[in-house]
Amino acid sequence: EDQVTQSPEALRLQEGESSSLNCSYTVSGLRGLFWYRQDPGKGPEFLFTLYSAGEEKEKERLKATLTKKESFLHITAPKPEDSATYLCAVQKNSGAGSYQLTFGKGTKLSVIP
Amino acid sequence: KAGVTQTPRYLIKTRGQQVTLSCSPISGHRSVSWYQQTPGQGLQFLFEYFSETQRNKGNFPGRFSGRQFSNSRSEMNVSTLELGDSALYLCASSQILFPNTGELFFGEGSRLTVL
Repeated sequence: EDQVTQSPEALRLQEGESSSLNCSYTVSGLRGLFWYRQDPGKGPEFLFTLYSAGEEKEKERLKATLTKKESFLHITAPKPEDSATYLCAVQKNSGAGSYQLTFGKGTKLSVIP
Repeated sequence: KAGVTQTPRYLIKTRGQQVTLSCSPISGHRSVSWYQQTPGQGLQFLFEYFSETQRNKGNFPGRFSGRQFSNSRSEMNVSTLELGDSALYLCASSQILFPNTGELFFGEGSRLTVL
């Protein structure tokens, strides 16, 4: 059974204090690993897709990396507007074009001014 | 470009009733997926439709069903509601691209409360 575990469950940072969120996964035949951001009362918003170990993607203060067993979302010098729940998801090879994702429970990030 | 639209946004039902939720995907998106989100279980996959055909179904009882219409709009139905069905139901649409980016565009969800 596919599993995605995110840690920590919650993280409180001072503005400018860099940190990392972790996503460990077990899946047979990884097609892709995804990071989403979810604000309260909203649906998740796509951030990154990573396909193979060693791959890195960056967007503003966020950088996502992938190994064979886990992914990290590094947040550099966060600002209060980065406060949100960050979700990790995996997609396995289960048929052409299948969009079924298995999500972790998320890390709730709070950035204090 | 309009996003994914879900209706209704909020609804309250009682045990034993049934509910139908609606989702209009982004124009041009032919794949629609549904997820259930609860504080305890997080986001769980319900089903995925493409061109009016269900391609995948998650591990939910038969009380949960869905369909997709020729214009890609989708509905999901939950019959004989139970207290545990209280959740945020999220619809997501996607283009079919190669390579698969996995980018799902989510709506804001339908918040169902079962009393």
